[in-house]
Amino acid sequence: AQSVTQLGSHVSVSEGALVLLRCNYSSSVPPYLFWYVQYPNQGLQLLLKYTSAATLVKGINDFEAEFKKSETSFHLTKPSAHMSDAAEYFCAVSATDDMRFGAGTRLTVKP
Amino acid sequence: KAGVTQTPRYLIKTRGQQVTLSCSPISGHRSVSWYQQTPGQGLQFLFEYFSETQRNKGNFPGRFSGRQFSNSRSEMNVSTLELGDSALYLCASSLGAGKTYNEQFFGPGTRLTVL
Repeated sequence: AQSVTQLGSHVSVSEGALVLLRCNYSSSVPPYLFWYVQYPNQGLQLLLKYTSAATLVKGINDFEAEFKKSETSFHLTKPSAHMSDAAEYFCAVSATDDMRFGAGTRLTVKP
Repeated sequence: KAGVTQTPRYLIKTRGQQVTLSCSPISGHRSVSWYQQTPGQGLQFLFEYFSETQRNKGNFPGRFSGRQFSNSRSEMNVSTLELGDSALYLCASSLGAGKTYNEQFFGPGTRLTVL
C-alpha cells in the first residue's frame, strides 16, 4: 500500500522568507512523487515530479524538492516566497496502479 | 495539445435533482479519475476509469456513478442531490495504468452548488 502524509494543514510565511512544505510517504516499492499547486477555484497544476532520476528535483517558479529515501520524505522548498505563491499544495505518490494525494497544505504569504 | 476540459464549469441544482458532469481527457490518455473537493473534507477520490472499465472506487455512496466512453471521455452522475454534495468536482486524466503512466493532469473543475 502507498500513502502520503503532509505535515501541517496551514503554513504561513512572510514575503521573501523560505518556504518549506513537508511531505512523507509510505510505499513498499520505489515510488514516483509529485507536488501539485492549486489556486482558488482552479484545478491542480503540476509543480514538479520525482521519477527515480536525480534526487533533487527542480520545478516551476523556483520550487524544488529533495527525495530522501532514508527519511521517506519529499519536502517542497522555495528560497524566497512571493505573494503569488499563496495557494494550496498537494503531495502525491504513485508506486503501483494508482496515485494517492495528501490532504494538502494551505500556504499563506504575509506582506 | 489541448488540456483536460470539464463541462459545465458552474452548476446550480436543488436537492433531490440529479446532475451529470462531463470530462474530456487529453488526447491519447486512457485513464480518467474523478475527485470531490470541499473545504471540510479536502480532496477525496471518487473513482477511476481505464479503457471504459472502473478500475478503482473511493468511499462514496451509490448515488455517485460514472462511466467512460470508447473515446476516453468520461461522465459522472450524482442522483438525488443533497446539500452536502456542493463541491468542486475535479477530473484528471493520465496515460494509463502503472506508476510510469500515472501522472495526472487536472481539468479546471465543475463547481456544483446544491440549494
